[in-house]
Amino acid sequence: NAGVMQNPRHLVRRRGQEARLRCSPMKGHSHVYWYRQLPEEGLKFMVYLQKENIIDESGMPKERFSAEFPKEGPSILRIQQVVRGDSAAYFCASSRRTADNEQFFGPGTRLTVL
Amino acid sequence: RKEVEQDPGPFNVPEGATVAFNCTYSNSASQSFFWYRQDCRKEPKLLMSVYSSGNEDGRFTAQLNRASQYISLLIRDSKLSDSATYLCVVNPPSGTYKYIFGTGTRLKVLA
Repeated sequence: NAGVMQNPRHLVRRRGQEARLRCSPMKGHSHVYWYRQLPEEGLKFMVYLQKENIIDESGMPKERFSAEFPKEGPSILRIQQVVRGDSAAYFCASSRRTADNEQFFGPGTRLTVL
Repeated sequence: RKEVEQDPGPFNVPEGATVAFNCTYSNSASQSFFWYRQDCRKEPKLLMSVYSSGNEDGRFTAQLNRASQYISLLIRDSKLSDSATYLCVVNPPSGTYKYIFGTGTRLKVLA
């Protein structure tokens, strides 16, 4: 049973470019969460999605960031016009149900903005 | 005050030692609590959930003190492989899915 998968594992972008981060949840999991970890900081909640729905995006910056979880395919976290401050590790987690509480994390995507 | 606070360490301990970490949280209505382990540049992995009655898993013991709003993790007979960052995680009452992470406590077990 494959775990949460994320790709790419490393992504380098120049300022102003777009970054697309993909997350495939564990089999049987329909809840996806994105977190960001800045250097020397804890993980911060960004957004919670179920298939085709954004449930809570209160942790996501209002501008340049968007997320989706389509009916088919992985969840996508999209960052437009990246800036140096976007450099971080972005982790995706999934769970079977909200009530399960336990979230399983993917290996993360390390975004570096030059 | 931060929602979840941890001593960043590092804690350098010899193999075989017992080490304890504390984590304090600010929201008294928080619902559930976890300890995760994160190795350098890797994803967090669930170490154990923390129950009101306390729980033990092998060399690891977790306890919750709601009155003082802290949770603790005790590691007995430390192994070299226990070297990692230990993350305290709290679920606020507003959303059980919204994990709030502490910044982590670094542990280094020395041979």
